Amino acid sequence: GAVVSQHPSRVICKSGTSVKIECRSLDFQATTMFWYRQFPKQSLMLMATSNEGSKATYEQGVEKDKFLINHASLTLSTLTVTSAHPEDSSFYICSARDLSGGDTQYFGPGTRLTVL
Amino acid sequence: GQNIDQPTEMTATEGAIVQINCTYQTSGFNGLFWYQQHAGEAPTFLSYNVLDGLEEKGRFSSFLSRSKGYSYLLLKELQMKDSASYLCAVMQNSGNTPLVFGKGTRLSVIA
Repeated sequence: GAVVSQHPSRVICKSGTSVKIECRSLDFQATTMFWYRQFPKQSLMLMATSNEGSKATYEQGVEKDKFLINHASLTLSTLTVTSAHPEDSSFYICSARDLSGGDTQYFGPGTRLTVL
Repeated sequence: GQNIDQPTEMTATEGAIVQINCTYQTSGFNGLFWYQQHAGEAPTFLSYNVLDGLEEKGRFSSFLSRSKGYSYLLLKELQMKDSASYLCAVMQNSGNTPLVFGKGTRLSVIA
């Protein structure tokens, strides 16, 4: 199946700093990517839909000024957690839909963020 | 509204067969996905059904009944490594709308 990569896989940062997470579709173009957050033993929570060349669509309750999303190209979306706090510590997962491959949505391997 | 229901937890014995059910009520329907997620890892794609019937892929099979809003994932010859969460997800529209996920079923395979 199609491959989606994420970088970094794991990051530890101090409270108040910003962290950027990259999501790339490696063998297909993705006009839309999705960002999820998952706390331990809980279900996936959709944070936002990232649209290439336009603004992201945020889910209710997700602060767009705190979680900045930029979809710069057809293969890259970035999520920046600004002024991170310990409560932002979570597993962040991106996904992309391969529209040329039966609409299947593939997930990246995830980024584990720990804010001290 | 949107509603996807699946059991929270299931336990099955190594070598056995287990069926994980999923019922859905969504405003649109353009296919149903099953994903496997091991603890601490991202979900991986297992199957996609858009037409009624059974899709078989090795030890895993997935069934869909659109008229009943029902799907199941069947796992045969269970192995310990199959212990994971299994997520049912509905694609309401084609294109670039997000999938609607159920809360997942945590399967424990015991010896």
